[in-house]
Amino acid sequence: GAVVSQHPSRVICKSGTSVKIECRSLDFQATTMFWYRQFPKKSLMLMATSNEGSKATYEQGVEKDKFLINHASLTLSTLTVTSAHPEDSSFYICSARMGRGRSTDTQYFGPGTRLTVL
Amino acid sequence: AQKVTQAQTEISVVEKEDVTLDCVYETRDTTYYLFWYKQPPSGELVFLIRRNSFDEQNEISGRYSWNFQKSTSSFNFTITASQVVDSAVYFCALSEAYNNNDMRFGAGTRLTVKP
Repeated sequence: GAVVSQHPSRVICKSGTSVKIECRSLDFQATTMFWYRQFPKKSLMLMATSNEGSKATYEQGVEKDKFLINHASLTLSTLTVTSAHPEDSSFYICSARMGRGRSTDTQYFGPGTRLTVL
Repeated sequence: AQKVTQAQTEISVVEKEDVTLDCVYETRDTTYYLFWYKQPPSGELVFLIRRNSFDEQNEISGRYSWNFQKSTSSFNFTITASQVVDSAVYFCALSEAYNNNDMRFGAGTRLTVKP
């Protein structure tokens, strides 16, 4: 159990285009999903917290107009990188929290999406 | 604010050696959870363990063991008889009960196990 998928696993796009990344919890309902960004050989940095049916909460320094997050159902959250630029190239990882949505429940992570912006 | 420190950036061992990965944390909360995740070259984070702040019992799972010491704010991870497949980046993370949603990761330790 506790499987989280991401699609696509890898995407290459031209500068100025928008890219949508999907995160799905396959065998459980996730009231909360998280989006992280990881630069090469670096740790995970939380970008935003996505709650089903409400607006995402963004971390300081993360542009909400650039990184659009939608959590339309208990099993799906999407991250759209709008007008992508080379500096947006990174490894994006989502996670979903099991349980009744308590802050200390375990987060299960997706396999990540490697975005390369040319 | 909560903070997780993994001072060992990279560790290299030879197969069958034991290796301990250090994790030191800082928190103002009395209720918190500690985690270890493994990130193999494929990139996916694999959940290894979750430990709450009220449970200081050490845990063993096969070749893996964890030593939680509140007195030193440490949650160290030991791999016994390491194998090449253990090569990965290992992250320690902390989540505080009062700070809803926020999980902080350490910088990670890259473990290389050579045959």
